[in-house]
Amino acid sequence: DAGVIQSPRHEVTEMGQEVTLRCKPISGHDYLFWYRQTMMRGLELLIYFNNNVPIDDSGMPEDRFSAKMPNASFSTLKIQPSEPRDSAVYFCASGRGFTYEQYFGPGTRLTVT
Amino acid sequence: AQSVTQPDIHITVSEGASLELRCNYSYGATPYLFWYVQSPGQGLQLLLKYFSGDTLVQGIKGFEAEFKRSQSSFNLRKPSVHWSDAAEYFCAVGAGQAGTALIFGKGTTLSVSS
Repeated sequence: DAGVIQSPRHEVTEMGQEVTLRCKPISGHDYLFWYRQTMMRGLELLIYFNNNVPIDDSGMPEDRFSAKMPNASFSTLKIQPSEPRDSAVYFCASGRGFTYEQYFGPGTRLTVT
Repeated sequence: AQSVTQPDIHITVSEGASLELRCNYSYGATPYLFWYVQSPGQGLQLLLKYFSGDTLVQGIKGFEAEFKRSQSSFNLRKPSVHWSDAAEYFCAVGAGQAGTALIFGKGTTLSVSS
C-alpha cells in the first residue's frame, strides 16, 4: 500500500492567492482527516469526513478555508484568499471506522508571503 | 472535556540509556490511547496503541507503553535509545464516537546525545 498521498509537498504563494492542497487516502479507509501543525498551536484538527461526508468542521479557522471529498479516493483543502498566518504544515490522515487508528500523509508545507 | 498533557517539551537522553516520555490524559470513559512519532520533515507514524486488555502494550521500534488508570497516564518507554530515535513524540486519546477524532498532546522532542 502506498500510504496516504499528499500533494504538493511544498507550496510557496503570495498573500491573497488561492491555495489547494490534495490528499489521496489509503484505499478502504472510510475516515479522512485534515490537520494543521504550527509551532505555536501544535497539531490542530481542521475537519474530518466519514464516507465522503463532512462530519465536523468546527476546527476550520474561518470561511477562507473549505474542504471537499468528492469521492472515496480524493480530498482537497482550499484556502482562498491565503494569508501569511496560514503558513503551516497541513497533514491529511485516513482511518478505518471504529479503530481510531489514523495514518498520516507526509504533509504539505505551506508558506504564504 | 478530553485533553492530553505531555509535561516535557524537550528531553535529551544519551544513546544506550533508557527513555520514558510522560503522557497524562483527561477522559471520563475508558480511553483509546496512542503514541505517534514524527521525524523531521515527515508525517506522524503510529508507534503503538491501547484499546483494552493488557495494560502494557508493545509497539514498533522496541517501544512499549503502560496504561495506568489510577494515574490517568500512558507513558512511553524504551530500554535502550538509539540515535535514530531522535524525533518528536505525540500522545493522543481517541474521544467521542469510535473512529473519529484524536486529541493530541503538544509533543515531546527527544534529542539523543552520543
